[in-house]
Amino acid sequence: KQEVTQIPAALSVPEGENLVLNCSFTDSAIYNLQWFRQDPGKGLTSLLLIQSSQREQTSGRLNASLDKSSGRSTLYIAASQPGDSATYLCAVTAGGNQFYFGTGTSLTVIP
Amino acid sequence: EPEVTQTPSHQVTQMGQEVILRCVPISNHLYFYWYRQILGQKVEFLVSFYNNEISEKSEIFDDQFSVERPDGSNFTLKIRSTKLEDSAMYFCASSEEWGGELFFGEGSRLTVL
Repeated sequence: KQEVTQIPAALSVPEGENLVLNCSFTDSAIYNLQWFRQDPGKGLTSLLLIQSSQREQTSGRLNASLDKSSGRSTLYIAASQPGDSATYLCAVTAGGNQFYFGTGTSLTVIP
Repeated sequence: EPEVTQTPSHQVTQMGQEVILRCVPISNHLYFYWYRQILGQKVEFLVSFYNNEISEKSEIFDDQFSVERPDGSNFTLKIRSTKLEDSAMYFCASSEEWGGELFFGEGSRLTVL
């Protein structure tokens, strides 16, 4: 069974700093990897989807990379803002149609 | 922008009662899902639905759970006899293609007393 781990569990940075969130998965035979953000008590908002044939995807200040062979993905956030404060989740799908989620990284950006 | 909508946003029920959670997926999407998140835990897959039938389900999705697409727009999750441990946030999601980008609703918080 696919296991997804996210480190660190929590991160606090001053506004303007660049930061990296990490995601690792145990089975490298993935189909897609998706990053989400979740605000407290809210649903999940899709940030980026990386297909297994891709190595990275960019959207605005966000850049996600994928290294299937090592079972790792990173989400890079440039010039962080207080509005970026949320929990960031990564999820992978491998062969089937279900996504396996990590426990998330809770990000706080201090003004 | 198209979005997944869920009702109710919060439901409180007594143990043993039946609950139906409702979802309207994005209109041109073909794959529909239910996930749940127990407080403080990971988001967990329950079931996926395509072409009017279940395509995958997890161990959590036992005989107490059922899904239905009663018309062209709604997608429902029914829990026949709720247990305390069913208390969670239930998320509906949809995607345009198999294994494709998931779009989630805001969730329905179920509290079983």
